[in-house]
Amino acid sequence: AQTVTQSQPEMSVQEAETVTLSCTYDTSENNYYLFWYKQPPSRQMILVIRQEAYKQQNATENRFSVNFQKAAKSFSLKISDSQLGDTAMYFCAFMKHSNNDMRFGAGTRLTVKP
Amino acid sequence: GAGVSQSPRYKVAKRGQDVALRCDPISGHVSLFWYQQALGQGPEFLTYFQNEAQLDKSGLPSDRFFAERPEGSVSTLKIQRTQQEDSAVYLCASRKKSGLGERGNTQYFGPGTRLTVL
Repeated sequence: AQTVTQSQPEMSVQEAETVTLSCTYDTSENNYYLFWYKQPPSRQMILVIRQEAYKQQNATENRFSVNFQKAAKSFSLKISDSQLGDTAMYFCAFMKHSNNDMRFGAGTRLTVKP
Repeated sequence: GAGVSQSPRYKVAKRGQDVALRCDPISGHVSLFWYQQALGQGPEFLTYFQNEAQLDKSGLPSDRFFAERPEGSVSTLKIQRTQQEDSAVYLCASRKKSGLGERGNTQYFGPGTRLTVL
């Protein structure tokens, strides 16, 4: 079975600074997808960034980037120039290439302070 | 509408009652997913539809849970004889396509239905 672990239940960062959220996963699969989702308070979950395991290059989306270490089964999210609107729960998720069962971590609550 | 919608947004049920939760996916989206999110936890997969076919129901926690999507668009998650442990937010998500190469593509989530069983 696949498991996703987010070891930081809560984090905070000053506005405009950089923060990194950790995620590790356990799988015997070679082909899979990894995702970071953002869930603002009382709002819908939205995709932040995704990575395909066969791609060595780390994905980036504007201020968001990942550090994908396949051998270490690590998939951290870096948020640069943090903004107040980044305050949310962040979930790391894993999906095997062969099915549609997406597994989520327990989440990290990020607070951006002014 | 432009996004995934769910109704009701909040539901309070007495233990033992049956409930029905509705999901309206984005128009034209082939794939539809249901997740259960307990307080302070990440979502857990319940079931997956490709059009009207329920291809994976491995995440449904018991036979009290039943989902359908008869015309390949709107879906209903039904919980019979609700128990307190069923209290959670139920999230629906849709995805445009269903092919192997599309599994990494974006799932668009609805706002969820918060179910409280007393």
